[in-house]
Amino acid sequence: QSVLTQPPSVSGAPGQTVTISCTGSSSNIGTGYDVHWYQHLPGAAPKMLLYGNTNRPSGVPDRFSGSKSGTSASLAITGLQAEDEADYFCQSYDARLGGWVFGGGTKLTVL
Amino acid sequence: QVQLQESGPGLVKPSQTLSLTCTVSGGSILSGSYYWTWIRQPAGKGLEWIGRIDTSGSTEYNPSLMSRVTISVDTSKNQFSLNLNSVTAADTAVYYCAGGRWRVDYWGQGTLVTVST
Repeated sequence: QSVLTQPPSVSGAPGQTVTISCTGSSSNIGTGYDVHWYQHLPGAAPKMLLYGNTNRPSGVPDRFSGSKSGTSASLAITGLQAEDEADYFCQSYDARLGGWVFGGGTKLTVL
Repeated sequence: QVQLQESGPGLVKPSQTLSLTCTVSGGSILSGSYYWTWIRQPAGKGLEWIGRIDTSGSTEYNPSLMSRVTISVDTSKNQFSLNLNSVTAADTAVYYCAGGRWRVDYWGQGTLVTVST
């Protein structure tokens, strides 16, 4: 069981918007540690989508956005495209563990 | 651009030691204030942080694995390594090496290690 909780799957039609939640606790997100989001395609290294809750690395489309409140964070993907079909996971730091913690991953299906 | 590549046996027998090495290319392992980290993902499960080492050799380990894990760094080879002893089938996973401090800036491709006779 992952320290950060994500829904196992979400789906949406092309052009629609989906959101993926990431719920933590007082020892990680709730303490104020940033949340980072990654896209993971099978057989490839994960790719950073958002860092510091809301910031996009160079090259990531502005269709991807993030937010954080309390012990949770969310990733929103607008204008869904077929190429967005992938696994997405969140990551933060946990003071009790003394290291990184991850969400269990959410599989996005573009219908 | 910094790249990481894991190497090591893909098959380990139960009770033996799993040993993996991560080679850092495109930059020095000494540059930046990075933690060099090992992460794993069993099939169908989420990612698990195993532990990290910094360039001074200071380590932190996941308490659930601490008794079996050693992470070391060889700055002359620009590499860091993972040793996990007394493995069981539960240690079968894709193992990733990674670099970063509060977030993962660099990922290896991952390597599948199967624990089986």
